[in-house]
Amino acid sequence: DSGVTQTPKHLITATGQRVTLRCSPRSGDLSVYWYQQSLDQGLQFLIQYYNGEERAKGNILERFSAQQFPDLHSELNLSSLELGDSALYFCASSPFDSYYGYTFGSGTRLTVV
Amino acid sequence: SQQGEEDPQALSIQEGENATMNCSYKTSINNLQWYRQNSGRGLVHLILIRSNEREKHSGRLRVTLDTSKKSSSLLITASRAADTASYFCAIMGGGSNYKLTFGKGTLLTVNP
Repeated sequence: DSGVTQTPKHLITATGQRVTLRCSPRSGDLSVYWYQQSLDQGLQFLIQYYNGEERAKGNILERFSAQQFPDLHSELNLSSLELGDSALYFCASSPFDSYYGYTFGSGTRLTVV
Repeated sequence: SQQGEEDPQALSIQEGENATMNCSYKTSINNLQWYRQNSGRGLVHLILIRSNEREKHSGRLRVTLDTSKKSSSLLITASRAADTASYFCAIMGGGSNYKLTFGKGTLLTVNP
């Protein structure tokens, strides 16, 4: 157990639907990062939050949004889902907004049918 | 692009042998990190080497960094079947950008 908790572990949903992925960072970590992993694109950085504020944005689609709450947990919202959104979604956390290694959760496997 | 590129894409060795994976990148970095991922599971942080460091060790792992050549290598000595996994290098750039950019990884298979 890495200390980063992601729920749910698996999600199967239909095209056009909306889902919410949840992440609880390791205790004491203030930064949360979201990544998407697919076979063709590899690990793609989506977005980073630090202590409730958006800090950096990557290749995140407009249909996707995220937020970090006062208790530091984060949610990634995916809407108008397409088949191509099927992927592993990882959350990671780090202690500060600084140069540290990340602790990853075990991921949410999203399948869009 | 800050993305690191690992080489080779796949590596198959016998238990007890050493495994070497390489990573090249194109931009300046603050640090370079290596991660391991067992099939379909979360990534595990292995080692971080800063831009002013040339070599780091952690157990059976040895990482080198050559900023003049913009390359890094990960050596796993005396490999075990349990080392079978994908290994990723990740680049953390300079400035106030603390995000990690990952390469596509090297799939290491250690045969018993």
